[in-house]
Amino acid sequence: DQQVKQNSPSLSVQEGRISILNCDYTNSMFDYFLWYKKYPAEGPTFLISISSIKDKNEDGRFTVFLNKSAKHLSLHIVPSQPGDSAVYFCAASANTDKLIFGTGTRLQVFP
Amino acid sequence: DTGVSQDPRHKITKRGQNVTFRCDPISEHNRLYWYRQTLGQGPEFLTYFQNEAQLEKSRLLSDRFSAERPKGSFSTLEIQRTEQGDSAMYLCASSWGNTGELFFGEGSRLTVL
Repeated sequence: DQQVKQNSPSLSVQEGRISILNCDYTNSMFDYFLWYKKYPAEGPTFLISISSIKDKNEDGRFTVFLNKSAKHLSLHIVPSQPGDSAVYFCAASANTDKLIFGTGTRLQVFP
Repeated sequence: DTGVSQDPRHKITKRGQNVTFRCDPISEHNRLYWYRQTLGQGPEFLTYFQNEAQLEKSRLLSDRFSAERPKGSFSTLEIQRTEQGDSAMYLCASSWGNTGELFFGEGSRLTVL
């Protein structure tokens, strides 16, 4: 049972435009959500997180939005840069337990 | 380098052999996690420790897999009688307490022939 879902395996965006990556979850006990970025041959690196008591968290070019009623979160990157090209994983946890990851979305930012 | 380190980075073995991976977490972190990742999938939880205590083990983990963290510092993940389906990237991560944010190593890639 996939509790965290990323239904778009890939996304291609032009440099300077906005990238929007989506994530859906099924477990209503999840109270903490994170986005990780992964380059080839490297481990995932933490990008940004949000607690369920918030609906938005911003860090520079990265903003995460949480819609608890829809069990949906999204990551906005604006403006997108070629260095943002990577695989992005959504992850969630309940009561500070282990992280459950989605299957990832491969973002490609082209000039 | 003070990040999470894993050894070996790559391991090729024949079916039926035993393999062991080592993870050295960030020194002040008391939680250590093992995940497995296969092509096209996200990291899949295997097990985690708080200090030397193994707090949870995935139901998906067969009895051929065992993990230890004897002194609450480094950890080992052993796979006995490897099968081709064990081929994957084995990721180790650590954290301080229950902050939620995990710091990952670069992974150990296992290929079972």
